[in-house]
Amino acid sequence: QVQLQESGPGLVKPSQTLSLTCTVSGGSISSGSYYWSWIRQPAGKGLEWIGRIYTSGSTNYNPSLKSRVTISVDTSKNQFSLKLSSVTAADTAVYYCARGKIAAPGPYYFDYWGQGTLVTVSS
Amino acid sequence: DIVMTQTPLSLSVTPGQPASISCKSSQSLLHSDGKTYLYWYLQKPGQSPQLLIYEVSSRFSGVPDRFSGSGSGTDFTLKISRVEAEDVGVYYCMQGIHLPPTFGGGTKVEIK
Repeated sequence: QVQLQESGPGLVKPSQTLSLTCTVSGGSISSGSYYWSWIRQPAGKGLEWIGRIYTSGSTNYNPSLKSRVTISVDTSKNQFSLKLSSVTAADTAVYYCARGKIAAPGPYYFDYWGQGTLVTVSS
Repeated sequence: DIVMTQTPLSLSVTPGQPASISCKSSQSLLHSDGKTYLYWYLQKPGQSPQLLIYEVSSRFSGVPDRFSGSGSGTDFTLKISRVEAEDVGVYYCMQGIHLPPTFGGGTKVEIK
């Protein structure tokens, strides 16, 4: 069974760049049936999709964050990464990586999630 | 973006009793391929969300058959036939037909 694990700093200063990595085990990130995704959840709030990357490197981002987000993939390490620039306190959240299963050309959903990592933006 | 609206916000259920959660989308989730891309997740306390139901009514691997999903177009329902203590948490519906995928605000289920 596939497992995902987020890693990265738990504290980031305002205006700096948040960087997280997701390590995938139990399956190859190069499998063609999946998008590799990032989702976040502010404390006590709902879930917000950040973006996704295909094994080819093709990306899609949430328009609300697009100007600040970069998602990349390293197939040799079976990892994918998130960078969010110019962070503010509003970016404080639990960040999840997830495997997005392609249900059809277009639609997709998340079948496995990492445990999540709390990132706090504070000076 | 497609807006997903869940009701109720919270539910307190006696063990062994049924529970029902409603989810409405601002646009139809029916795809041109004939399938409807509506999903249900459960986030247990302190855990990440876990997939319960995909494409309206199909149970994900390992999900007990007391969970069932139904609906079409823009109106959907998740039912738990007999609530157990392990079912506590926040339930989310999600649409996967259009980017960005969007989630409902969540329904918190607790045990009386």
